[in-house]
Amino acid sequence: GQQLNQSPQSMFIQEGEDVSMNCTSSSIFNTWLWYKQDPGEGPVLLIALYKAGELTSNGRLTAQFGITRKDSFLNISASIPSDVGIYFCAGVPGNTGKLIFGQGTTLQVKP
Amino acid sequence: DTEVTQTPKHLVMGMTNKKSLKCEQHMGHRAMYWYKQKAKKPPELMFVYSYEKLSINESVPSRFSPECPNSSLLNLHLHALQPEDSALYLCASSRLLQAGAHGYTFGSGTRLTVV
Repeated sequence: GQQLNQSPQSMFIQEGEDVSMNCTSSSIFNTWLWYKQDPGEGPVLLIALYKAGELTSNGRLTAQFGITRKDSFLNISASIPSDVGIYFCAGVPGNTGKLIFGQGTTLQVKP
Repeated sequence: DTEVTQTPKHLVMGMTNKKSLKCEQHMGHRAMYWYKQKAKKPPELMFVYSYEKLSINESVPSRFSPECPNSSLLNLHLHALQPEDSALYLCASSRLLQAGAHGYTFGSGTRLTVV
């Protein structure tokens, strides 16, 4: 089945540093989504990407939809303690309603 | 209202119990989903409903029984669960099945413990 490879698995950084994480797939996706999940809560949508090559920002977050439609990255600039959580990429392979999730990147920020 | 509301937030049940999880949204979304999530793992799709009809069942055991009584409500009926079914159960909705159009909105989940 379709799988997403998300890296890194975890990151421990100093407050103020920039962060980058990415997802790759062997299959083409029509849409890429980036979610953040806090402990005990559901995932919250951060950025949605709909076109190959698209670069979208949401505050300190920037994400891009790869030209090949098989990858995406998420950057967080000037990290702050509340950025702590698990970040998931998710791909949408068609119109079935299914989301294919990456394995997640756990981010810890040291004040 | 831009939320998906799940109740209860926590549930402890015995293996012989019958319980139900409830999910509600008032965003006019016509696709609703149940996901199961184990600790530090991504959510796994269980069921998809589109216009109140079951669209996808990801080979989920029959001890999990979904129900969509109307366009705003989604239930998950539980019976004779096993301890390994303990997990965070997430409900989500999207405007249409073409979730990519606007992404999903997830609820906060029900933390289920089977004893």
